[in-house]
Amino acid sequence: NAGVTQTPKFQVLKTGQSMTLQCAQDMNHNSMYWYRQDPGMGLRLIYYSASEGTTDKGEVPNGYNVSRLNKREFSLRLESAAPSQTSVYFCASSERGRQETQYFGPGTRLLVL
Amino acid sequence: AQSVTQLDSQVPVFEEAPVELRCNYSSSVSVYLFWYVQYPNQGLQLLLKYLSGSTLVKGINGFEAEFNKSQTSFHLRKPSVHISDTAEYFCAVSNFGNEKLTFGTGTRLTIIP
Repeated sequence: NAGVTQTPKFQVLKTGQSMTLQCAQDMNHNSMYWYRQDPGMGLRLIYYSASEGTTDKGEVPNGYNVSRLNKREFSLRLESAAPSQTSVYFCASSERGRQETQYFGPGTRLLVL
Repeated sequence: AQSVTQLDSQVPVFEEAPVELRCNYSSSVSVYLFWYVQYPNQGLQLLLKYLSGSTLVKGINGFEAEFNKSQTSFHLRKPSVHISDTAEYFCAVSNFGNEKLTFGTGTRLTIIP
């Protein structure tokens, strides 16, 4: 039982390059989330998916797209990376419902030059 | 809209001393409250959560928090800290009808030997 896994762990991009961050969970959770973590700003929600086939914007969605490929996988795509997207990205999953605990992956550290 | 305030960005505490990490929230409706911990270079994991019932909530690793509705607070406490408690602590809130979590900016707890 691996929980929530993310790939890659580290990535360096040049401005304008694209990449996809992958996330998978093996807990049969319905809801999945993408956050970014920046110093002094806590975690901010980028996108979330309440169930397979649905996605919705969070607090900071600009510059990102997501795909809920199936119940297990939720990917985050940067089409044209910008230095402002340098951050640590976390994927999380939970059962459906606002009372449920979110389980986090180990994070992806992204540097955009 | 909901919001969470963690006024202390850093808290240094001597080993075996007590600690309190402060969290205040703002919401016009009923809330669920969470404390998550992030150890260095890891994802977040749940410490404890308040859903209903007793206002004193006990969590893992000897931590507890008290929900105070009149003061809109959910402060985290531990009577005696250890070096292993060195981490960043995040308070979070979810509103009725909203599965999304809003996180505070975090408090970095440093234990002094």
